[in-house]
Amino acid sequence: ETGVTQSPTHLIKTRGQQVTLRCSSQSGHNTVSWYQQALGQGPQFIFQYYREEENGRGNFPPRFSGLQFPNYSSELNVNALLLGDSALYLCASSSRVLLSYEQYFGPGTRLTVT
Amino acid sequence: AQSVAQPEDQVNVAEGNPLTVKCTYSVSGNPYLFWYVQYPNRGLQFLLKYITGDNLVKGSYGFEAEFNKSQTSFHLKKPSALVSDSALYFCAVRELYGNNRLAFGKGNQVVVIP
Repeated sequence: ETGVTQSPTHLIKTRGQQVTLRCSSQSGHNTVSWYQQALGQGPQFIFQYYREEENGRGNFPPRFSGLQFPNYSSELNVNALLLGDSALYLCASSSRVLLSYEQYFGPGTRLTVT
Repeated sequence: AQSVAQPEDQVNVAEGNPLTVKCTYSVSGNPYLFWYVQYPNRGLQFLLKYITGDNLVKGSYGFEAEFNKSQTSFHLKKPSALVSDSALYFCAVRELYGNNRLAFGKGNQVVVIP
């Protein structure tokens, strides 16, 4: 069974740029959620994708957007980067079919905005 | 909206002593509760969950947690702490109905002293 993978591991961007982060869900999981974890804080829910559609969104502006693909992998896109977007971005997968409820997290992408 | 409080920033415990990490929650309706652990520069690792049934749930690595509905608490416990248990611990809650959004606490740093 393959776990959740994320790429890249680390990323440095300049303020105003755009970034795309990628996530491959765990085998058999059809739902992907994205979280932002600022330094010293707990993860904050950004949004969730199920059946290639956004299914719930946290308190994040529209410049945070995403996609889910037919193979259940997902992308997180952030436009017009701000210094405050510097954080660890975590992807988590889960299965509605199995009703297992827990989410399994990838190792994260560390984004630094300078 | 669901929320979690982890009142202590850091928990220090001697190796071999019992470990307790506290969590209280707020949710409309019945909660689904989770504990995750995070090691430095890593994603979150699932430890255990409470969905329904027995108030004492057992999880990975000898951890257990007790659900107390009247006190809205879900404290994590381990009878005998190991130095390798030193990490950041997060409590999380989601509502019974709705999407799979998790609300996390700010986390507790556990330091096990040899």
